[in-house]
Formats: sequence, C-alpha cells, structure tokens
Amino acid sequence: DIQMTQSPSSLSASVGDRVTITCRASQGISKYLAWYQQKPGKVPKLLIYAASTLQSGVPSRFSGSGSGTDFTLTISSLQPEDVATYYCQKYNSVPLTFGPGTKVDIK
Amino acid sequence: EVRLVESGGGLVQPGRSLRLSCAASGFTFDDYAMHWVRQAPGKGLEWVSGIGWNSGSIGYADSVKGRFIISRDNAKNSLYLQMNSLRPEDTALYYCAKDKRLGYSTIDYWGQGTLVTVSS
Repeated sequence: DIQMTQSPSSLSASVGDRVTITCRASQGISKYLAWYQQKPGKVPKLLIYAASTLQSGVPSRFSGSGSGTDFTLTISSLQPEDVATYYCQKYNSVPLTFGPGTKVDIK
Repeated sequence: EVRLVESGGGLVQPGRSLRLSCAASGFTFDDYAMHWVRQAPGKGLEWVSGIGWNSGSIGYADSVKGRFIISRDNAKNSLYLQMNSLRPEDTALYYCAKDKRLGYSTIDYWGQGTLVTVSS
C-alpha cells in the first residue's frame, strides 16, 4: 500500500506569515491528492482536491500544488481562524490513506 | 442541506460485534460513493471503508479487512458498517462521509460521528 507522510508534524507561526505544509506519497499518485482542515472539536473540512483545486467556499489564501509524490499546502497569510490540524489524503486507489497530520497554531 | 447522522456506537467487549448506521438526507444518495472514517481519541484520521454508488466497488483498510463489512441501502438512504471481532484498537469516533462522486474521490461532507469504545 502507498504510505503518506507529512512534514512538519507541527508548526507555530505568526499571524500574516506564509505557511507551507508538505505531503509525500511513497509511490506516484498523479494529482489524486486532497487536503482537509480539522479545527479542534470539529469535523474535517475539505480544502483542496486534485492537488490544486480549491473547494467552493474556501478562502483564496489556501492553495495546493504538486503531482506524483510531492505535494504542498500553502496558507499565504496565516489567520487566527486557521489554527487546526491539516491532513492530506490520497485517493487514486484504495485504501484512501490519510497523512498523519500537521498541527498549526499561532505563535 | 446535506445531513449525515450516525448511530449505533457504544461500549462493547473485545471480540463482540456492533453495527453502525448512517442516515443521509439533503442529496441524491445513490449518486455518490460513501465512506466510513475513524479517529481514535487524540489521534489522526483513518479511512476505514468505502462503497461505490451501486455497491459495485467496495474497499477496506488493511486494519479492518475480514472483520468489517460496509453496505448501503439506496432505497432507505442509509449506509452501514458491520463491525465484527472488535479489538481495543478499534476504539474511535466513526464518521460517515459523503464522496464528491459516484466512485471514490474526496470527501465533501462529514457526519458528527458515533463513538465506539471496545473495552472489557
């Protein structure tokens, strides 16, 4: 099975900072990669699919890039409401594996 | 408005069985694949199982393969997860989740979850 890794596992940044999270697949998955945001105590929310397509209603400060094995999620200007854990998920084939998550908080 | 409401969770002893249900509304249920995703307390998300719109495609995580069975009843707008031979490591919040498409892709709606605790 394809394994998903994320780095860093956690980060602390200031409001307004540019934040980048990396997701890596152990084998190529083309662009079958999604990003989810899970705020504390809440259900996950789809941010990006097909590696770079913004889900409807998601602020434009979120963006995704990559293909094959290496992907990034970027928050162009971190806001207090972005405090959350972010997960990548591959969906080219089953199992639809999630990455371990990256916890983002405000410095 | 899309609504996914899970039920059937609870405390169960190791080795026993439990059946989760998910009642869906607010969308055409048989136009979409559906999933179960779980989250152990304080841990990350784990995809458990998925089923295509017509039950023609079914998949499981290795951790539950051979023990869990996913099914759906499109006439009742319902999704199910039969969980057998439960283990303590199956303890988690189980989310019912809607796919964006007929087949497997991304999850665009989640229920609030039902808690399963496996303990003697």
